[in-house]
Amino acid sequence: EVQLVESGGGLVQPGRSLRLSCAASGFTFDDYAMHWVRQVPGKGLEWVSYISWNSGKTGYADSVKGRFTISRDNAKNALYLQMDSLRPEDTAFYYCAKEGYSSELFKYAEFFQHWGQGTLVAVSS
Amino acid sequence: DIVMTQSPHSLSLSLGERATFNCKSSQSILYSSNKKSYLAWYQQKAGQPPKLLFYWASTRESGVPDRFSGSGSGTDFTLTISSLQAEDVAVYYCQQYFSAPYTFGGGTKVEIK
Repeated sequence: EVQLVESGGGLVQPGRSLRLSCAASGFTFDDYAMHWVRQVPGKGLEWVSYISWNSGKTGYADSVKGRFTISRDNAKNALYLQMDSLRPEDTAFYYCAKEGYSSELFKYAEFFQHWGQGTLVAVSS
Repeated sequence: DIVMTQSPHSLSLSLGERATFNCKSSQSILYSSNKKSYLAWYQQKAGQPPKLLFYWASTRESGVPDRFSGSGSGTDFTLTISSLQAEDVAVYYCQQYFSAPYTFGGGTKVEIK
């Protein structure tokens, strides 16, 4: 069974940093790209960042580019999100998500087939 | 960026009624080489993470009841629940994965009348 467990959320002051982690199990971690998606409580979903299976490619939403850094450690089956220069508008639940695999097309694609339960980041003074 | 627009914002229906949600992309998300639309649907119940329902617009994820169906191509997509059940109360989101940033629609909230 695929499991994704996020940790590292909490209350932080504006301008400070936080590092989120996601522990993965139940699948071959280094076969898949991974993503972070966030959701302001009671609001919609926003894709934040992605990293390819071998860390060779990364991508970011404009809203976090230059402030957030995604990374992974395939030996530890772990995904990370380093969040610097945090702003109140970064307050949200942060989910790690595993990219999808289509057996019909024998293809990986950036739909989110499995999600963690999320960790809440609150940025406030 | 591709903008995803969902309608209606909310639906209130009786048990057993048919529910239809719409999703429109600001540009075509149909990939010509494989004739697939890069569109996924998710269901999010209160206090839970989203759950994948469909990808390639109409491919049902394993375990999703067959009262759910997805359709559409190009820029216009529909999610249908043929007979609404109490456990279907949730917010439903569409998402395009044609190109980054991978954008979501604003969601449609389904309630029981």
